[in-house]
Amino acid sequence: DPKIIQKPKYLVAVTGSEKILICEQYLGHNAMYWYRQSAKKPLEFMFSYSYQKLMDNQTASSRFQPQSSKKNHLDLQITALKPDDSATYFCASSHPTGGGYEQYFGPGTRLTVL
Amino acid sequence: TQTVSQSDAHVTVFEGDSVELRCNYSYGGSIYLSWYIQHHGRGLQFLLKYYSGNPVVQGVNGFEAEFSKSDSSFHLRKASVHWSDSAVYFCAVTMATGGNNKLTFGQGTVLSVIP
Repeated sequence: DPKIIQKPKYLVAVTGSEKILICEQYLGHNAMYWYRQSAKKPLEFMFSYSYQKLMDNQTASSRFQPQSSKKNHLDLQITALKPDDSATYFCASSHPTGGGYEQYFGPGTRLTVL
Repeated sequence: TQTVSQSDAHVTVFEGDSVELRCNYSYGGSIYLSWYIQHHGRGLQFLLKYYSGNPVVQGVNGFEAEFSKSDSSFHLRKASVHWSDSAVYFCAVTMATGGNNKLTFGQGTVLSVIP
């Protein structure tokens, strides 16, 4: 059974629209993260959450907003989409302290913005 | 600022060969060094990590890595590769303290194993 679920697997959006990327983990972890991988840049850290609280935000734009409705959920809302947002977005989780170097990654959501 | 450099974008070897994937880092603090593997179309999987102690650490599937403070390196090795080892390998650094658990990745090395 998949331990980290990301939905949808593929997503196509038009410029200016808004989308929500879903992430659920069933590993019992209390820390969750978002990373982005694109052709132009290597894997890039976006956010970290611990016990549903934001720990770090490395995105330059407020168009990216994580949402944690439950402790095993960390969704990513992206507004005013741009073609440069096209990338694969990975959700990850870990134990919150001491084990943060071992993160478990979901399969990713591949976002294409036209 | 943490930086991680993987100097080889692509490495191609034959099945049964040994391989070394190189990683150099720059960071002036207490860090964890780790390696991750990404098979095509999949998420990343943790292979191994180093924090302190024996500089040679063992991971899954016969992988090992050696830390060198003098060279600021953490190279990944495998004595005999299998075709299923074909994947992208990422070296990563994270601070041992601070709490945000941010992984800073290198650019990745594509390993192609010819059967």
